[in-house]
Amino acid sequence: GQNIDQPTEMTATEGAIVQINCTYQTSGFNGLFWYQQHAGEAPTFLSYNVLDGLEEKGRFSSFLSRSKGYSYLLLKELQMKDSASYLCAVRDQNYNQGGKLIFGQGTELSVKP
Amino acid sequence: DGGITQSPKYLFRKEGQNVTLSCEQNLNHDAMYWYRQDPGQGLRLIYYSQIVNDFQKGDIAEGYSVSREKKESFPLTVTSAQKNPTAFYLCASRIYWDATSTLFFGSGTQLSVL
Repeated sequence: GQNIDQPTEMTATEGAIVQINCTYQTSGFNGLFWYQQHAGEAPTFLSYNVLDGLEEKGRFSSFLSRSKGYSYLLLKELQMKDSASYLCAVRDQNYNQGGKLIFGQGTELSVKP
Repeated sequence: DGGITQSPKYLFRKEGQNVTLSCEQNLNHDAMYWYRQDPGQGLRLIYYSQIVNDFQKGDIAEGYSVSREKKESFPLTVTSAQKNPTAFYLCASRIYWDATSTLFFGSGTQLSVL
């Protein structure tokens, strides 16, 4: 079966660092995506990993271990505007299924002053 | 500016009524998708289309229908057969042939039942 797990909620303090974990079990794998979504708005792309290791992009970094079926999103120097839902999504390897993304339930991050 | 436009932002459906959600993109993307989002749940795929005049069912297609007559447009109809239609609906598109390409999302339509 296809399964992607993330924590439902997390709370962190402004200026701190937070790590959001994602574990997955899918029939195929062709990349992992992280999106940020503010309430009532469209998800926006944050990062993409297809090979093992760390991808850094400003305050945001994403890590992937394919052998462990594990990824995390690291947010540094947290700002109040980082309060949002963070979605982990895996691309299925089967192109006959349109290369569709399978999403986790999202992690609601609250940043406190 | 290139992007995806969904309309309307809010939509109300009466019992037994069919409603259609609009999705238009000017990104020249081949692939288009419809996702449904319920509170506390991840995005679930309803339908997708890789080329004009072709579309495939996703994981929760029952009670929905789509058409793809033009590359730019992928409307979703929520039929009366969909008994629990209240949700946030997101349309997305991507460059189909590029495996690394991300999804670009519209701003969503919140559908509620009267």
